[in-house]
Amino acid sequence: AQSVAQPEDQVNVAEGNPLTVKCTYSVSGNPYLFWYVQYPNRGLQFLLKYITGDNLVKGSYGFEAEFNKSQTSFHLKKPSALVSDSALYFCAVRDGVASGYSTLTFGKGTMLLVSP
Amino acid sequence: DGGITQSPKYLFRKEGQNVTLSCEQNLNHDAMYWYRQDPGQGLRLIYYSQIVNDFQKGDIAEGYSVSREKKESFPLTVTSAQKNPTAFYLCASSRGGFGANVLTFGAGSRLTVL
Repeated sequence: AQSVAQPEDQVNVAEGNPLTVKCTYSVSGNPYLFWYVQYPNRGLQFLLKYITGDNLVKGSYGFEAEFNKSQTSFHLKKPSALVSDSALYFCAVRDGVASGYSTLTFGKGTMLLVSP
Repeated sequence: DGGITQSPKYLFRKEGQNVTLSCEQNLNHDAMYWYRQDPGQGLRLIYYSQIVNDFQKGDIAEGYSVSREKKESFPLTVTSAQKNPTAFYLCASSRGGFGANVLTFGAGSRLTVL
């Protein structure tokens, strides 16, 4: 089965500094990778996805992610963090390849805390 | 506005009771999903449905049941057989098919067993 790992439970960054939230993946075949964000007691919101093409993917709210095939990574980045970026971030990979259905398998999430 | 509506937002249950969580979407999406979220464990797939009258078990289906009688609706029943049902439940939908479809999520239902 496909899987993703988020090695950090929490990332702390000061407002205005660049941020990185890490994700590594394990897939058979070509990876379809996603990032979602969750604010407290809310559902998840889609940020961006990688299917093919340019390794640098741009998404919502100024976020981008860099796909690195050799390191099997898909790290989320933002040049300048905002306090309002504080939330729980999930990396996900398309699964269900063997069954012929398309589902998403999520990582355990990384809490991003941006201090003023 | 199109979206997914989950109800109730909060639900309390006594041990031994079945409860049903509602999920309705007006996005005309073919596929619908139920995930369970526990602190530190991320999201785990309970059931999913690609078309009406068809659904498949996910990774943690034991103690849960679903139905898909209408395209818009995908209710989840948490049965008394579910040993640890206290959790945050998220419903999602997508256009379906086998591609890189983006999932749209509802706001969630928090179930607490007393």
